[in-house]
Amino acid sequence: DTEVTQTPKHLVMGMTNKKSLKCEQHMGHRAMYWYKQKAKKPPELMFVYSYEKLSINESVPSRFSPECPNSSLLNLHLHALQPEDSALYLCASSQVLLAGGFTGELFFGEGSRLTVL
Amino acid sequence: KNEVEQSPQNLTAQEGEFITINCSYSVGISALHWLQQHPGGGIVSLFMLSSGKKKHGRLIATINIQEKHSSLHITASHPRDSAVYICAVSLSSGSARQLTFGSGTQLTVLP
Repeated sequence: DTEVTQTPKHLVMGMTNKKSLKCEQHMGHRAMYWYKQKAKKPPELMFVYSYEKLSINESVPSRFSPECPNSSLLNLHLHALQPEDSALYLCASSQVLLAGGFTGELFFGEGSRLTVL
Repeated sequence: KNEVEQSPQNLTAQEGEFITINCSYSVGISALHWLQQHPGGGIVSLFMLSSGKKKHGRLIATINIQEKHSSLHITASHPRDSAVYICAVSLSSGSARQLTFGSGTQLTVLP
């Protein structure tokens, strides 16, 4: 199984709603990532978890709250979002953290397309 | 100047043509990745290179570490190859950014 599964594929929410995006992998990877991608732009890193601990937070607003309940699951909790937060949210995983010269392949999910009204 | 530059930004080809997409980088890297993103959004990792050349089916990727340049070639292109191709690098220094992405090349292969 070399899949990263994201749900939901599409989400429409109002600015006062609370929703969550989910990501799951069963490859035994210990690093998991959230990326945000706007149209015609490359992905931007948001958060990185390594061994279920938050390793990197790229100055993301607190209305985005990540959670890693176990080594296979990664959630992104959304609250009080703004219309400019509408984007494709991509989850990815790698065997271990890609840092300090360590090389490894990154596996991406299909993404969750979020629209904030 | 971006650390990773791709060219061309857009490329239209006829089915069967040989295609080349280029990537240049200005930083020390430990690996270079070629990724494919279809209109639906999901990203697929095509290659990870740290030296030389790799081939998978009709796709070939090469890297020249001295010149800080990589190319992705598609032989006998097909409309299903239409996608955005993204070059990304893993920095050799301890970096929090994980991958640094190029801006992507939109490839359209016409039947």
